[in-house]
Amino acid sequence: EIVLTQSPGTLSWSPGERATLSCRASATVVRNYLAWYQQKPGQAPRLLIYGASTRASGIPDRFSGSGSGTDFTLTISRLEPEDFAVYYCQYYGSSPITFGRGTRLDIK
Amino acid sequence: DVQLVQSGAEVKRPGESLKISCQASGYRFTSNWIAWVRQMPGKGLEWMGIIYPADFDLRYNPSFEGQVTFSVDKSTSTAYLQWSSLKTSDTAIYYCARAYGDYIYTWWFDSWGQGTQVTVSS
Repeated sequence: EIVLTQSPGTLSWSPGERATLSCRASATVVRNYLAWYQQKPGQAPRLLIYGASTRASGIPDRFSGSGSGTDFTLTISRLEPEDFAVYYCQYYGSSPITFGRGTRLDIK
Repeated sequence: DVQLVQSGAEVKRPGESLKISCQASGYRFTSNWIAWVRQMPGKGLEWMGIIYPADFDLRYNPSFEGQVTFSVDKSTSTAYLQWSSLKTSDTAIYYCARAYGDYIYTWWFDSWGQGTQVTVSS
């Protein structure tokens, strides 16, 4: 099973700043089978990125994904008030599909 | 628009059975796998498994195998998650999600239901 470690658990940033979230896999993620989701309180997760770097339909271009191998990054270039949420990475190359524990992005 | 609409919140006693639903619309139901994801109180997301409505192919996360059962009704475009004997540790929000991907296990989840809160308490 591939374990995904998201660090730090909580990040505090101000609107307008750039945020970088990390997701590290316990083994190589083949073909960049890595996705990112955003979850706001009381809501279902929303797909942001798949294939490590492809934005999902309707996702603003301030969200970008990068990385390969075992290290992946979600970058939000200019934080908007609606971006403060929990972000999860997901591995999907083999069974079981796994999620990281999430990074909470708080307003500073 | 793709929509997954889940059944409402449930409160059950330990040992009771339960079946929750997820009705899909806005796309061909048999074209995509449907996954189930658990979120325990204050915790992260856990993939429980997945079902392919076209041929009822099933894949369970080994951690959940034998604990739950997936099924679908193609005539109503509805997927189901059921328990035969609930435990207090089953208390969680359960999400269904449409899976997208090219090969077995290479799935990401592009549309999600709103979640069903299941509370199991004596």
